[in-house]
Amino acid sequence: GAGVSQSPSNKVTEKGKDVELRCDPISGHTALYWYRQSLGQGLEFLIYFQGNSAPDKSGLPSDRFSAERTGGSVSTLTIQRTQQEDSAVYLCASSLATDSSYEQYFGPGTRLTVT
Amino acid sequence: GNSVTQMEGPVTLSEEAFLTINCTYTATGYPSLFWYVQYPGEGLQLLLKATKADDKGSNKGFEATYRKETTSFHLEKGSVQVSDSAVYFCALKVFQAGTALIFGKGTTLSVSS
Repeated sequence: GAGVSQSPSNKVTEKGKDVELRCDPISGHTALYWYRQSLGQGLEFLIYFQGNSAPDKSGLPSDRFSAERTGGSVSTLTIQRTQQEDSAVYLCASSLATDSSYEQYFGPGTRLTVT
Repeated sequence: GNSVTQMEGPVTLSEEAFLTINCTYTATGYPSLFWYVQYPGEGLQLLLKATKADDKGSNKGFEATYRKETTSFHLEKGSVQVSDSAVYFCALKVFQAGTALIFGKGTTLSVSS
């Protein structure tokens, strides 16, 4: 079946602009995670959604970052007033549930470059 | 806090050599442990996992044993292939609903023929 998809695959934006990154999880997966992969910081957790519960935003690096998940499916990560340090690959993952026995399936990522 | 430390790369090996990538962790409670692999140009994939002490995860010839006494989860393969060239990430997840994966910084493996 279809895996996790993300769009766009690449995004180049000017400093100060807003960007939206999209994630389509695997159908039926209730848990959705956003991570960021950058050269200096490795893989970092950003935000997590589980069903209709309030999201866990503990990993968001600043209030310029926000995310929503509509209808328990598609998620959008928004970065306002982008800065050069936001340049990274943004990864989305989904899983059937949050228990450790359930694998997180990752999308191919969106490479964001802020010039 | 919870963290993962893995050996820094790059690791460069000849085909059929033995591979070890060290991974140690610090965690509150009893985490599940994972190895993820990222092949060039591809997304992260789960390679293997272990959910309790002394469990051995294995897949594609790779193995790792959950060692609680040494807080380690070292990845091993007896005979690497060129196709194993990738970045390998050790990760943990604390047994607590809603907690995301915590990753090590990744180890790049390059295998030459």
